[in-house]
Amino acid sequence: AQSVTQLDSQVPVFEEAPVELRCNYSSSVSVYLFWYVQYPNQGLQLLLKYLSGSTLVESINGFEAEFNKSQTSFHLRKPSVHISDTAEYFCAVSEMNTGFQKLVFGTGTRLLVSP
Amino acid sequence: GAGVSQTPSNKVTEKGKYVELRCDPISGHTALYWYRQSLGQGPEFLIYFQGTGAADDSGLPNDRFFAVRPEGSVSTLKIQRTERGDSAVYLCASSSGTDPYQETQYFGPGTRLLVL
Repeated sequence: AQSVTQLDSQVPVFEEAPVELRCNYSSSVSVYLFWYVQYPNQGLQLLLKYLSGSTLVESINGFEAEFNKSQTSFHLRKPSVHISDTAEYFCAVSEMNTGFQKLVFGTGTRLLVSP
Repeated sequence: GAGVSQTPSNKVTEKGKYVELRCDPISGHTALYWYRQSLGQGPEFLIYFQGTGAADDSGLPNDRFFAVRPEGSVSTLKIQRTERGDSAVYLCASSSGTDPYQETQYFGPGTRLLVL
């Protein structure tokens, strides 16, 4: 069975600094990869996803993630964070043999951006 | 348009009681998912519906948990003989159902269940 590891439970960072949120996964088959974000008092929403093609994927608000198959990683990065990026970020995988998008989530990383 | 809605937003019950949690998916979405999120954890898959049928219920923890979607729209998650360990946020998500692997799941705000 697949699993997702997000080693950092909390990442504090100053505004305008770069940030990387780490995600590693384990699976015996090929996977699709996702990052979801949960802003305070809001529901989960998709940030970006890797399905196929270019291993570097980007979101509309400046985040990017790179699929590294050899290292089984899908780290999320942003070169300059804003206060509004404060949220909890969840990495998720879905194996390609389940018949549907059966998401398995990591435990989440809380990004705290301070002025 | 309207997103996924869940009612109630909060539910407090006593150990041993029966509860029902409701999910209204985005109109036209044929795929519906239930997840459970315990404190400090990520969401955990419970069950997946395609239309009216439960296509995969492998995540339901035991036979006290049951979910239905009789008309292919609204879904109800039912928990019998609740236990304190059932306390969690129950999330519902829906997707269009046209591309089972690649489409986006849209999540509701969740129902926070507390079993005393």
